[in-house]
Amino acid sequence: DAGITQSPRYKITETGRQVTLMCHQTWSHSYMFWYRQDLGHGLRLIYYSAAADITDKGEVSDGYVVSRSKTENFPLTLESATRSQTSVYFCASTLEVGAYEQYFGPGTRLTVT
Amino acid sequence: AQSVTQPDIHITVSEGASLELRCNYSYGATPYLFWYVQSPGQGLQLLLKYFSGDTLVQGIKGFEAEFKRSQSSFNLRKPSVHWSDAAEYFCAVGESNYQLIWGAGTKLIIKP
Repeated sequence: DAGITQSPRYKITETGRQVTLMCHQTWSHSYMFWYRQDLGHGLRLIYYSAAADITDKGEVSDGYVVSRSKTENFPLTLESATRSQTSVYFCASTLEVGAYEQYFGPGTRLTVT
Repeated sequence: AQSVTQPDIHITVSEGASLELRCNYSYGATPYLFWYVQSPGQGLQLLLKYFSGDTLVQGIKGFEAEFKRSQSSFNLRKPSVHWSDAAEYFCAVGESNYQLIWGAGTKLIIKP
């Protein structure tokens, strides 16, 4: 039972480069989420998706783009990375009806130099 | 707007001692409440959840939490902590669109 996987686990990139973080889940959960976690800020929602081809912005979506062409994949793209996007990124998923509990991937630690 | 407050940024507890982590929420309807734990370098793991019914809920790893509507609280407890409980703990409340509103977290430090 693989659950949610994220790749890469660690990434170093330069300012201005485009970088994509991958998220894959094996449960066929409808909802998927991207968070960033920074010291002093806890978890902040970047984007979420209710189903394939349905996405919506969270509280800190500027500079990020998502897509969801397949239920199981939810990639997050930083179009032009900035140092302020250095963070740990978590992907999560949840079932559709009557379930709010989210299941998290192991995270991707991204450093923008 | 809904919010979750975890008033303690850090808590230090001796191994074997009891633990209580505080969580207060602001939510109009009956809330869906959660506690998650994050070990260093790991993702978040669900400890327990409250949806309805018995206000004292049991979770994994010997944790429990009590929902008190009158106090808008959902405090996490454990009767005797182990060194392996050192981690960060997050309280969250569910919104109507399946999003979670997160507290800022409480870091638990265990003294030997």
